Amino acid sequence: DIVMTQTPLSSPVTLGQPASISCRSSQSLVHSDGNTYLSWLQQRPGQPPRLLIDKISNRFSGVPDRFSGSGAGTDFTLKISRVEAEDVGVYYCMQATQFPRTFGQGTKLEIK
Amino acid sequence: EVQLAESGGGLVKPGGSLRLSCAASGFTFSSYSMNWVRQAPGKGLEWVSSISSSSSHIYYADSVKGRFTISRDNAKNSLYMQMNSLRAEDTAVYYCARSGGFDIWGQGTMVTVSS
Repeated sequence: DIVMTQTPLSSPVTLGQPASISCRSSQSLVHSDGNTYLSWLQQRPGQPPRLLIDKISNRFSGVPDRFSGSGAGTDFTLKISRVEAEDVGVYYCMQATQFPRTFGQGTKLEIK
Repeated sequence: EVQLAESGGGLVKPGGSLRLSCAASGFTFSSYSMNWVRQAPGKGLEWVSSISSSSSHIYYADSVKGRFTISRDNAKNSLYMQMNSLRAEDTAVYYCARSGGFDIWGQGTMVTVSS
C-alpha cells in the first residue's frame, strides 16, 4: 500500500498570512497513463470533506485561487496564499493512482 | 445541483448487519465510478471500497474484505454497501464520494457498532 505522510500535523497561522502543507508518498504516484492522481481535500469542522485540488494542481470548481498545489513524483505541497477564517479545518492529501486509495493523516489548520 | 445523500446508518450490535444507501442526483450516475469512505470519531479518512460505472471492477480495503459488499443500481441512481459481521472498529461516519477524483461527497451517515 502507498503510505501518505503529511507535515506538519498542526499549523497555526495568522489571518492574511500564507500557509503550506507537505505530503510525501512512499512510492511514485505517476500512473501508467501519465497522470499523477494526487488530490487535496478540505474538511471544515462538522462538514464532509470537499475536493480542493486534483492531479497535483487542478483547482476544483468553486475553489478560490488562493489555494494552489504543486509537486511531482512523491513530494507534493498545498499552499494557501493568504489564510482566511473560513479556511480553518483539516486538510488531507489523497492518492488515487493505485488501490487501495490512501489518505494522509490530516493537517489541522487553525488561526493563531 | 449535483448531490449525494447517504442513508441507512444506525446502532447495531457486534456481529450484526446494516445496508447503507447513497442516492445520487444532478448528474448522470451511470457514467461515474463511486466510492465509500469512512471516518471513525475524531480520526482521519479511510477508503473502504470502490465500484466502476458498470460494476465490472470492484475493490475493497483489507479491513472490510469478505464482510462488506458494494453494489449499485444505475436505473435507480443509487449506490449501496451491505455490511455484515460488523465490529466495534467499523464505527464511523460513512461517506459516498463520486468518481476516481472523489470530487463530490455526501453528508455522511453514522454507523455505531456497540452492544
